[in-house]
Amino acid sequence: DSGVTQTPKHLITATGQRVTLRCSPRSGDLSVYWYQQSLDQGLQFLIQYYNGEERAKGNILERFSAQQFPDLHSELNLSSLELGDSALYFCASSVGGGELLYEQYFGPGTRLTVT
Amino acid sequence: AQSVTQLDSHVSVSEGTPVLLRCNYSSSYSPSLFWYVQHPNKGLQLLLKYTSAATLVKGINGFEAEFKKSETSFHLTKPSAHMSDAAEYFCVVSDRGYQKVTFGTGTKLQVIP
Repeated sequence: DSGVTQTPKHLITATGQRVTLRCSPRSGDLSVYWYQQSLDQGLQFLIQYYNGEERAKGNILERFSAQQFPDLHSELNLSSLELGDSALYFCASSVGGGELLYEQYFGPGTRLTVT
Repeated sequence: AQSVTQLDSHVSVSEGTPVLLRCNYSSSYSPSLFWYVQHPNKGLQLLLKYTSAATLVKGINGFEAEFKKSETSFHLTKPSAHMSDAAEYFCVVSDRGYQKVTFGTGTKLQVIP
């Protein structure tokens, strides 16, 4: 158990809908990272937040957004969902995060299915 | 731009024999390199990391990796495979210059009894 929690574990929704994925980092970790894992794209870094502020951005679509709250939990919002958004979404956390050098602890993931 | 290439998508070894998972990277800055393991239906777990200290890095479960700048490689090895090593392994480069993390496409390790 990494100490990172993600909810929900599974999510099934229809095209065009909007969903919110939630992540609670390990106690004491200030950085939260979001990743998307799909069969065709592999594991892709989406975005990083450090102590409430966006720190680094990867291949995140404009339809997706994220935020980190004062209690350090994070939410990833996915809107106007398409079939291709079906994937496993991982959250990870780390102590630091200024230069992405710190080891990351991954949550169990949220499996999103868009029908 | 940074990139990482895992040279084998699948590797199959017999239990008790050595494991070699290959990774080459490209980075414009001094990179940090990581190996993560993902067991089926699980999240990723850090095996080891290189952050410009010793070039030979020892990780958990008997794995180690050697950073070779001249070859731009960071191959993962283990002297003797165990059945529990069967999983997917990801090589990761983190480039402070680009402030991003890039994962390799993964290598699935099969261990044959």
